[in-house]
Amino acid sequence: QQQVKQSPQSLIVQKGGISIINCAYENTAFDYFPWYQQFPGKGPALLIAIRPDVSEKKEGRFTISFNKSAKQFSLHIMDSQPGDSATYFCAASNFGNEKLTFGTGTRLTIIP
Amino acid sequence: GAVVSQHPSWVICKSGTSVKIECRSLDFQATTMFWYRQFPKQSLMLMATSNEGSKATYEQGVEKDKFLINHASLTLSTLTVTSAHPEDSSFYICSATRVWRGDEQFFGPGTRLTVL
Repeated sequence: QQQVKQSPQSLIVQKGGISIINCAYENTAFDYFPWYQQFPGKGPALLIAIRPDVSEKKEGRFTISFNKSAKQFSLHIMDSQPGDSATYFCAASNFGNEKLTFGTGTRLTIIP
Repeated sequence: GAVVSQHPSWVICKSGTSVKIECRSLDFQATTMFWYRQFPKQSLMLMATSNEGSKATYEQGVEKDKFLINHASLTLSTLTVTSAHPEDSSFYICSATRVWRGDEQFFGPGTRLTVL
């Protein structure tokens, strides 16, 4: 019940295209859903996060879509750039618990 | 703001020795610090949660006598890998949450441990 399932495992997108990564969770107590970006040999960095009281959040080229009834959330990267090539992790936590449960990661490659 | 540092960034040690990794919150006080390990091309696995001045809480399957965690102050937590073996070789990452904010975690840059 603590799992967060992430797909796809890897993704290749052409420059300028839209990258979409999906996550699904089981634990209905989760109420904080962040996305992290990680470059090789570096720690993850928070990209964008959402709480279940909204269905969408946008920051620049990055958008989270959240479907509470389906227990799914996704990351959309618009106008994908080669610099976006990295591994992306979704995560979820229960407010007050603070422990993050991470998805398995998606390796995104943006090709020219 | 909200910068977390780790030291060292990489370390190589011989099997049987102990290694200490430091995690510092540079510009904020951290109520809680977390330690993760990450194997190549895998996700982050939480090892333990530590609060300043109290004993760390370890995740199931993590040997607390092997991975000693000390959270001595609101800005410093240390992870000591005791009697390290080659299978302990991994990328160790810490994170911290700020005192006045709930659950946003700020991650350090990680420490690459290689045990020969």
